[in-house]
Parts: sequence; structure tokens; C-alpha cells
Amino acid sequence: AQSVTQLGSHVSVSEGALVLLRCNYSSSVPPYLFWYVQYPNQGLQLLLKYTSAATLVKGINGFEAEFKKSETSFHLTKPSAHMSDAAEYFCAVSPDQKLTFGTGTRLTIIP
Amino acid sequence: DTGVSQNPRHKITKRGQNVTFRCDPISEHNRLYWYRQTLGQGPEFLTYFQNEAQLEKSRLLSDRFSAERPKGSFSTLEIQRTEQGDSAMYLCASSQTGDNEKLFFGSGTQLSVL
Repeated sequence: AQSVTQLGSHVSVSEGALVLLRCNYSSSVPPYLFWYVQYPNQGLQLLLKYTSAATLVKGINGFEAEFKKSETSFHLTKPSAHMSDAAEYFCAVSPDQKLTFGTGTRLTIIP
Repeated sequence: DTGVSQNPRHKITKRGQNVTFRCDPISEHNRLYWYRQTLGQGPEFLTYFQNEAQLEKSRLLSDRFSAERPKGSFSTLEIQRTEQGDSAMYLCASSQTGDNEKLFFGSGTQLSVL
């Protein structure tokens, strides 16, 4: 079964610093991979998705993720953190018409 | 379009009572999903519909849970004889044919079973 593992349940970065949220996948076939963000009291929102068209995927709000088959990773990055990026981030894989989510990483931005 | 709407936002009930949640998806979306999320965990798949047909149910979904989408539009999720372990955030999402992996989520219904 396809699954994802998110390393680090909490990540803190200073405003303006690099954001790196880690996700590793387990799949026997090329997966569809996603990053979703959940702001307080809001529904999950799609940041970006990988569907094999390109290994570097750009999403909304300046985020991007790189698919690395050799490392079975799909880490999320943003060059410069903003206070508004504080939220919970979920990596997900789509095995068959539905999403399987990781346990999430809570991102805190330090002023 | 205002997105996926879920009601109520919060529900507090006593153990043993029945509860029902409603989800109104984005109007042109034919797929509708229910997920459950507990503290510190990612959302877990419960069930999904293609139009009015329920195509899959997770093994997480006990016999006390039932979901319907009678006219292929809104959906209801009912939990009978609630237990404290049912306390969670229940999320609804919808998607469009041809882009089934791009789910649009509602804000969820937070259930607390006392």
C-alpha cells in the first residue's frame, strides 16, 4: 500500500529563513504526491501536486517541492518564510481515487 | 461558488446518542469524500461517492456509521450510538471528474462525545 511519512511533527523557522518540510513516500509504482496546508479553523487547501510531468513542482504562496525517486522524497521548500506561512502542512499520496495523508508538520514562524 | 460547506461546525453529544452531519460540495463536483481527523494525525479516509453511488468504504467505518448522497448533491454522515472514540473532526471534500486528486475541503465538523 502507498503511504507517506512526514519527518518532524513541529518545525520552527525564523521569518525570512528557508522553510524545509520533509516527506518520504512508499510506493511500488510512480505515485501522485501532494502537499496540503491547513490554517487554523479552515479546511485543507492544495499547495501543489506532482503527477510525473516535472520533478520540480511550483505551488501557491511561493512553495515548491522536488520529486526525487532515488530518495523516495517529496520535500516542500520555500526560500523565505513569512509570518502568514504558520500552519499545519500535510503530505499526501493518491493510490486510487483517494488521498492518504501523512501525520502533518506544524510550522511555526519566529518573528 | 462558496466552496465546500459543512454543518454544523461543532457538535457536542452524549455517548449513545445519534448525530448527523451535512456536507454541501462545490456544485459541479461529482465526487464527494468523507475523512476523519484526530488530534496530531492526518485526515483518514472514510468513504467516497461518485454522484449518488457510494463507491468505497474504509474498514475504519464501523456499522454505526452510514453516509448517503441521495441526489448526487449534498451528503450526510450519520453516527449511531456514539462512543467517546468517535470524537474527531469530520472533513468533507469534493472533486471534479478528470481531476480527482485535487480535493477541495470544507472546514469540518468537530464532534465531541461526552
